[in-house]
Amino acid sequence: GQNIDQPTEMTATEGAIVQINCTYQTSGFNGLFWYQQHAGEAPTFLSYNVLDGLEEKGRFSSFLSRSKGYSYLLLKELQMKDSASYLCAVRSLNSGGYQKVTFGTGTKLQVIP
Amino acid sequence: ETGVTQSPTHLIKTRGQQVTLRCSSQSGHNTVSWYQQALGQGPQFIFQYYREEENGRGNFPPRFSGLQFPNYSSELNVNALELDDSALYLCASSSIRLGTRASYEQYFGPGTRLTVT
Repeated sequence: GQNIDQPTEMTATEGAIVQINCTYQTSGFNGLFWYQQHAGEAPTFLSYNVLDGLEEKGRFSSFLSRSKGYSYLLLKELQMKDSASYLCAVRSLNSGGYQKVTFGTGTKLQVIP
Repeated sequence: ETGVTQSPTHLIKTRGQQVTLRCSSQSGHNTVSWYQQALGQGPQFIFQYYREEENGRGNFPPRFSGLQFPNYSSELNVNALELDDSALYLCASSSIRLGTRASYEQYFGPGTRLTVT
């Protein structure tokens, strides 16, 4: 089966940098996603990693190490509006090309002044 | 706004009934996925359709079924509703284009809140 772990809650200060970690165990790994979800809203796509390394997109960066089953989302210059849940999700493929996406339970980030 | 729409926004059903939820994908997208999200949890993958065929499924029983139409809109059908089916149902669309990273961006609709009593 698949297993995804991420911290339940984090708190960080406005203007600071925060790193949200995600570890996973899966077979047929085919990519890792990060989503942002504000309370009562649908998730919003942030990033996708399928190869090892860092992907940067403005204030957000995502890192992947496939050999370690590990990813992190880095948020810089935190703003109050960044308070949200951050979801890590893994896509896997079986030998027949049938795919499955598994989400973690999400990390609730609170940004404080 | 992602361009993905879902209907209805809210729905109340009784245990044992059947329900159909609808999703219209973003223009140009050929893939749709459905998710169930309980309060305080991450979305749970139900299934995915690509060009009108199911090409991925999570751990949901057969009473959860779906369709994708030629215009890439989609339906999620749930038979014999149970109390635990109460959740937010999300659909997400994307466009699978080989050789481009953009093919993996997935856009969610606002969801349908289903309550089973």
